Amino acid sequence: QSALTQPPSASGSPGQSVTISCTGTSSDVGGYNYVSWYQHHPGKAPKLMIYEVTNRPSGVPDRFSGSKSGDTASLTVSGLQAEDEADYYCSSYAGSSNLGVFGAGTKVTVL
Amino acid sequence: QITLKESGPTLVKPTQTLTLTCTFSGFSLSTSTVGVGWIRQPPGKALEWLAVIYWDDDKRYSPSLKSRLTITKDTSKNQVVLTMTNMDPVDTATYYCVRRRGGTSWADSWGQGTLVTVSS
Repeated sequence: QSALTQPPSASGSPGQSVTISCTGTSSDVGGYNYVSWYQHHPGKAPKLMIYEVTNRPSGVPDRFSGSKSGDTASLTVSGLQAEDEADYYCSSYAGSSNLGVFGAGTKVTVL
Repeated sequence: QITLKESGPTLVKPTQTLTLTCTFSGFSLSTSTVGVGWIRQPPGKALEWLAVIYWDDDKRYSPSLKSRLTITKDTSKNQVVLTMTNMDPVDTATYYCVRRRGGTSWADSWGQGTLVTVSS
């Protein structure tokens, strides 16, 4: 069982928005502003999309945005494009004795 | 450009020791705050942090796997080696090498991963 809970799938048509949730506890997501999100196209290296809840690394389109409320973090992909079809994983800091925890991933399908 | 590449056996027998090597380029493990670590993903399951080694040789391990893991670095070769003892079929997974900066909780660069199967 994953430490963080994500829906297994989400979908949207090109141009639409899709939001993925990531639910943890006060010991991880709710306790720190250290949520990150990764995009993974099978067979390729996963890619960091969001760090510290809302920050985008250089080169990540501003169509990707992150937020958090309480114990739940969210990733929103606006203006969906075919290339956004991938698996998305959330992760959170969970204290100094822990390297971090992940969700099981959400498969985003562009219809 | 930062690249990381995992290498090692694709098949190991139960009870054997797994040795994986990460060879990286585009950064130095002698630079302050830089770390290289390992994450794995069993088929159909969640990602899991295993270990991280930092520029100053600080090493951090997953509490649940600490007794089985050893992480070392060779800064001159730009390599990090992970050993995992007493392999079991439940350790079958894709193993990823990643870069992680000290004081952060995310992996900012990843390798493509290598699938390791544990079977007799």
